[in-house]
Amino acid sequence: SQTIHQWPATLVQPVGSPLSLECTVEGTSNPNLYWYRQAAGRGLQLLFYSVGIGQISSEVPQNLSASRPQDRQFILSSKKLLLSDSGFYLCAWTQGGTGYFEAFFGQGTRLTVV
Amino acid sequence: AQSVTQPDIHITVSEGASLELRCNYSYGATPYLFWYVQSPGQGLQLLLKYFSGDTLVQGIKGFEAEFKRSQSSFNLRKPSVHWSDAAEYFCAVQSYNTDKLIFGTGTRLQVFP
Repeated sequence: SQTIHQWPATLVQPVGSPLSLECTVEGTSNPNLYWYRQAAGRGLQLLFYSVGIGQISSEVPQNLSASRPQDRQFILSSKKLLLSDSGFYLCAWTQGGTGYFEAFFGQGTRLTVV
Repeated sequence: AQSVTQPDIHITVSEGASLELRCNYSYGATPYLFWYVQSPGQGLQLLLKYFSGDTLVQGIKGFEAEFKRSQSSFNLRKPSVHWSDAAEYFCAVQSYNTDKLIFGTGTRLQVFP
């Protein structure tokens, strides 16, 4: 069966420090991968999505970047964190290919920038 | 541009009452449409989905949604709400061209006994 791993669960980082959040999917190949930020009253804001290795679509201009170095690995990064980067980050995957498929989410990372 | 609007941030209903959560989307063609539910402290669970065919879609937990192309809407309904339905509900739209998947801002449902 397919599983999604996202880590760390919580993170406290000082302003100006780098960030790396990792997400991996098991049990499937060529998934679509997504990074969202969830904030109260703002729902799930799509940050990045990827339909294949090295293919990243950025949705919100900001201090973050994403990479997909392997088929089932999706990384969210920042070179210098801002206070406004604090939030709850969710990784998700859907089956790739033609059709519409359920999205499965990781447990999320609570990031606090201090 | 692809977008999803959930006009109601917070809805309160009595247990046993009917429920309708609104969702409007903007997309060049018929997108893939979804409703998800997130209970407190839990992840998101798919309630139902739609792309084509019968415009009334049945989902889990007694929920249904109706697609109305003329109104660009995909409203979620339940005839009789249970206290366990208290949660946050998200409408989502996925492009069949790009697989871009976006969510609305969510509607928080509160159920009174």
